[in-house]
Amino acid sequence: AQSVSQHNHHVILSEAASLELGCNYSYGGTVNLFWYVQYPGQHLQLLLKYFSGDPLVKGIKGFEAEFIKSKFSFNLRKPSVQWSDTAEYFCAVNKAAGNKLTFGGGTRVLVKP
Amino acid sequence: GAVVSQHPSWVICKSGTSVKIECRSLDFQATTMFWYRQFPKQSLMLMATSNEGSKATYEQGVEKDKFLINHASLTLSTLTVTSAHPEDSSFYICSATRYQGAHRRYTFGSGTRLTVV
Repeated sequence: AQSVSQHNHHVILSEAASLELGCNYSYGGTVNLFWYVQYPGQHLQLLLKYFSGDPLVKGIKGFEAEFIKSKFSFNLRKPSVQWSDTAEYFCAVNKAAGNKLTFGGGTRVLVKP
Repeated sequence: GAVVSQHPSWVICKSGTSVKIECRSLDFQATTMFWYRQFPKQSLMLMATSNEGSKATYEQGVEKDKFLINHASLTLSTLTVTSAHPEDSSFYICSATRYQGAHRRYTFGSGTRLTVV
């Protein structure tokens, strides 16, 4: 069965700092990769996704992620965070031929003003 | 854009009663919907896959008779927590999926916080 791991459970940083959240998955076949954000009290929103093509994916709100197939990784980055980026971030994977999303454990990010 | 409406947002019920949660895709048809459970400070755990017009597929360890899923139309799936107990208290989230081009898109509901007292 596929699994998704996010290395950091909690991240605290100051505004304008750079952010990188790690995500690794275990499935060896073709996958689709997603990063979702959950702001306090809100539902999950899609930040970005990778299906194929350029492994560097740009999403909303200045986020980007890089798919490194050899490392089974899909790390999320943002060069300069804002206080409003305080949220929980989830990496998710599904098999290209499947429909079930498997989520990582999530990373809570707190940006101090 | 695609919207998934989930109701109620929160519910408090007495132990032993049943609670129904609705998940509706408002502007698209969803042949497949998913139900997740999220414990505090934990990730989303898939409970079951709801297929329109057929029986739901449950993940290992999820009691079918406890969590009844009905997907009677292309825009509505319901999750009924039967004979709820305090350990069923959790945050339940639904997701509806559709194809855009060659790829699946997933849209999530806002979740239902269930508290069983």
